[in-house]
Amino acid sequence: GAVVSQHPSRVICKSGTSVKIECRSLDFQATTMFWYRQFPKQSLMLMATSNEGSKATYEQGVEKDKFLINHASLTLSTLTVTSAHPEDSSFYICSARPGLAGTEQFFGPGTRLTVL
Amino acid sequence: AQSVTQPDIHITVSEGASLELRCNYSYGATPYLFWYVQSPGQGLQLLLKYFSGDTLVQGIKGFEAEFKRSQSSFNLRKPSVHWSDAAEYFCAAHGGGGGNKLTFGTGTQLKVEL
Repeated sequence: GAVVSQHPSRVICKSGTSVKIECRSLDFQATTMFWYRQFPKQSLMLMATSNEGSKATYEQGVEKDKFLINHASLTLSTLTVTSAHPEDSSFYICSARPGLAGTEQFFGPGTRLTVL
Repeated sequence: AQSVTQPDIHITVSEGASLELRCNYSYGATPYLFWYVQSPGQGLQLLLKYFSGDTLVQGIKGFEAEFKRSQSSFNLRKPSVHWSDAAEYFCAAHGGGGGNKLTFGTGTQLKVEL
């Protein structure tokens, strides 16, 4: 149980285009989902917290207009990187937390974004 | 400020040798503690977690961790390392409650020599 999927696993796009990454909780309902960014050989940095049916909460320094997050259902959150540039190339990982105030998060396998 | 520290960036051990990865935390109260493993290009897999109770926690893949309140530590151990254990290991802490975030350490890269 507690499986989280991400799609796509790998995407290459041209500079200036937008890319959408999906995060799904497959066997549980996730009131809260989290989006992380990981640079090579570094730790995970929380970008935003996504709550179903409400606006995402962004961490300091993360551009909300650049990284659009939608959490339209209890099993799906999407991250759209708008007008992507090479510096947006990174490994994006989502996680999902079941229930209202639990502490354990289940992580997706990650999405490798490369912007040319 | 809340933080998690992993003092060792890289560790190399021989296959069959024992392993200990260090983790220290700085929180106002004892947080919930986690160890995750990440293989190259993959997401994170939970190895074990500590919420309360027995301070020696058993996890998957033969790993265990010991919570020591006096040292604010939660070190990960394995008695005999296998080549497949080579990966990045992250310690993480959560303050509890819905509004808190999971804070990660910087990770320790484990290399296993055959």
